[in-house]
Parts: sequence; C-alpha cells; structure tokens
Amino acid sequence: QVQLQESGAGRVKPSETLSLTCTVSGGSVSSGDYYWSWIRQSPERGLEWIGYIYDRGSSNYNPSFESRVSISVDTSRNQFSLRLTSVTAADTAVYYCATDPIDQRSFDVWGQGTLVTVSS
Amino acid sequence: AIQMTQSPSSLSASVGDRVTITCRASQGIRNDLNWYQQKPGEAPKLLIYASFNLQPGVPSRFRGNGAGTDFTLTISRLQPEDLATYYCLQDHHYPRTFGQGTKVEVQ
Repeated sequence: QVQLQESGAGRVKPSETLSLTCTVSGGSVSSGDYYWSWIRQSPERGLEWIGYIYDRGSSNYNPSFESRVSISVDTSRNQFSLRLTSVTAADTAVYYCATDPIDQRSFDVWGQGTLVTVSS
Repeated sequence: AIQMTQSPSSLSASVGDRVTITCRASQGIRNDLNWYQQKPGEAPKLLIYASFNLQPGVPSRFRGNGAGTDFTLTISRLQPEDLATYYCLQDHHYPRTFGQGTKVEVQ
C-alpha cells in the first residue's frame, strides 16, 4: 500500500515561493499507475485540487493556479514536489499530496497534510 | 469549472438513524462522483468511487447512488464514529472540484 508524507516550510512570506515535497513509500513514482496530485484545504476556499504530474513529465494544473504552479518529480528520491510562486495570505492552507489511480479516478491515498501559513 | 453543491451544510442525528447527504453538479457528470469522509484533524478518506462503488474496508452502512447531476450518500445506521464532514468530488472534467462539505454531528 502506497504511503505519502508531505514536508516543507510551514511559513512563507508574501510574494515568495511555496515549496513542498511528497515522499512516496510502498510504491514508485515511476510506476505509471497513478497521477501524483496536490490538493489544498482552507476554511475560506474548502478543498481545491491544485494539479498532478504523471510519468515524469505530463502534468495538469487547475487554471486557478496555472500561472503560478509547477509540479515535478524526482525518481531518484521517489518524491514529487509542488512549487507555488507569488504567494499571498489566500494561499494559507493545509496542503495534501494524494494518489489518483489511473484505473480508478479517485484520490484513494492521502498524506497527513502540512499547514503552510503565508505571513511576513 | 463544474460546480458541486452539497446539502445540507450540516445535520445532527442520533445513533441508528438513517442519514442522507445530497450532491448536485452544475452539469451532467455521468457517474464520475466520489465521496470522502474527513474526521477532525485528519486527511479526507475515500468512501465511495464512481457514484456507488464502496472502497475496500469501508463499512457497508455507507451507500452511494446517482448519475448525471444528482447524487446521494446514505449512512443506513449512523454510528458514533461517523462524526465527520463529508465531501463529494467530481472527476468528470478537469479541474476536479469538491463540494463544500456536510458536517454530520451525532447526538
């Protein structure tokens, strides 16, 4: 069973870049079995799908974020990462990584989540 | 983007009650609808995928139904551990979109 663990800075200053990493265990980011996804949750906006990366290079982003977001994968470390540029207070949220199986379109495994606060 | 509207936003029910939550899509999504349960302080957990398929390990008192624009999640006999917020998610079109949640309180 795949397990996921988010890591990264818990506080980011306005206008700077949010960077998070999701470490995968029990599976391989190179397997081709999943879309490796990021989702966030805030009281103001609820749950928001941010985007995914698949098979090293193919990605798909929510248009709400598209000009600011990038997701990448590091196969040597079995990790995938989120970068969100030019953050504001509205980006304060709990960020989750999740697996989205190719053959069952659902977020079936989630990390525990990490709170990122945007504040000076 | 497809908008997902859940109702009610919250409810309170007694142990053993039957509880129904509704999710409506702003356009037809066939049966591309999942349900999640989120307990306080935890990540969401997948309960049901593709409208009515129970995720392995999920109790059979949870049942999903619907197609097109209207969907329901029913808990047949509410248990104390069902205290949580429940979300629907459409996976018919990108961007994937969630409902705003239904908070279930157990009396």
